[in-house]
Amino acid sequence: EPEVTQTPSHQVTQMGQEVILRCVPISNHLYFYWYRQILGQKVEFLVSFYNNEISEKSEIFDDQFSVERPDGSNFTLKIRSTKLEDSAMYFCASSLGQGSWETQYFGPGTRLLVL
Amino acid sequence: AQSVTQPDIHITVSEGASLELRCNYSYGATPYLFWYVQSPGQGLQLLLKYFSGDTLVQGIKGFEAEFKRSQSSFNLRKPSVHWSDAAEYFCAVAVNQAGTALIFGKGTTLSVSS
Repeated sequence: EPEVTQTPSHQVTQMGQEVILRCVPISNHLYFYWYRQILGQKVEFLVSFYNNEISEKSEIFDDQFSVERPDGSNFTLKIRSTKLEDSAMYFCASSLGQGSWETQYFGPGTRLLVL
Repeated sequence: AQSVTQPDIHITVSEGASLELRCNYSYGATPYLFWYVQSPGQGLQLLLKYFSGDTLVQGIKGFEAEFKRSQSSFNLRKPSVHWSDAAEYFCAVAVNQAGTALIFGKGTTLSVSS
């Protein structure tokens, strides 16, 4: 069964450094998402992406965040200058279509620790 | 604003016993509701979803959920729990019908005792 994959599974970085989290969505899916979960808190929506453009973003997704589909398979989340509060589990997801009825398929997550 | 509450942080159930995980939502219109499960090292997997129609929804792995508008609830149930059901369970609501963002609850961790 096709699945969403994410690399790395864990990343440790120093505050102020840039990090890139990578995701390979399911191959025929067209919509891509990033969510994050700070330890002990809810899974929060960050951004959705379609046709090389951001479709929706939350207030969390500020100027330090960016997303990109650099090629036909990868979907990345870049955090330009990491802060301590960026420490979280980051989930990538993809769906075939748009709309709330579409199932979003999630990857296993990347645990980011900012020191 | 839309929100999801899962009142139970951690539940322990004996293997073979029945299970009910609670979920309450706050949403003005008819909600799109989801239950996801996350096993250690795995991504979030969709168990079931509700959009309209029959308020009792069947999902994978023997799970079902019932939408009760009067109680703003969407509780997840399973008649007989297996040890492999130990995982974290998330209830979620879609922000709007045309959108894509999901709002999640904090999750309930299920432990299964033998």
